[in-house]
Amino acid sequence: RKEVEQDPGPFNVPEGATVAFNCTYSNSASQSFFWYRQDCRKEPKLLMSVYSSGNEDGRFTAQLNRASQYISLLIRDSKLSDSATYLCVVNSMYNFNKFYFGSGTKLNVKP
Amino acid sequence: DGGITQSPKYLFRKEGQNVTLSCEQNLNHDAMYWYRQDPGQGLRLIYYSQIVNDFQKGDIAEGYSVSREKKESFPLTVTSAQKNPTAFYLCASSGMFSREGDYGYTFGSGTRLTVV
Repeated sequence: RKEVEQDPGPFNVPEGATVAFNCTYSNSASQSFFWYRQDCRKEPKLLMSVYSSGNEDGRFTAQLNRASQYISLLIRDSKLSDSATYLCVVNSMYNFNKFYFGSGTKLNVKP
Repeated sequence: DGGITQSPKYLFRKEGQNVTLSCEQNLNHDAMYWYRQDPGQGLRLIYYSQIVNDFQKGDIAEGYSVSREKKESFPLTVTSAQKNPTAFYLCASSGMFSREGDYGYTFGSGTRLTVV
């Protein structure tokens, strides 16, 4: 079983739509969680950390559900510029410098 | 500005040749990592280092070698033993975790290696 699993998509949504991605992780000892954004042929860039209490940054909201071992990313009022691949990243408290990446969920926002 | 620099951006390797990819950071991060990404796939860990003069194999270390002689530098050598080296190589660094949610990775802009 993979450490981190994501639906590869693509999610094709119109501008202005709300879209949500989930990511499941297998290790209950996982400690830190992140969402990264990767544009085509570019390096991943940190979008937001995911805290136990959930966190919001503008149109983006991240949630953590430890009981069910998943994290989510909600994007409201989608923009064309949100089109990218969104990577879920998880690490373990036992090897806190080792991160596990999901294979990413592709989002296409269309006019 | 602090950051992480990879070079070269594009690299072409002949069959049987060793090549070295450079990764330098001035973020004062202790940990550094090398990942490989193939088209349409996620990142796979090659090697990582948590401290100078120490490094650990990741999930796909065969055919690769690294060194960590300085905190700032973590070069990756792709040897002739790596049978399918064409990929996008990403170097990353991270600080130590002090509280929940702190310190994700910072990535370099990557090196695209192609075997010709």
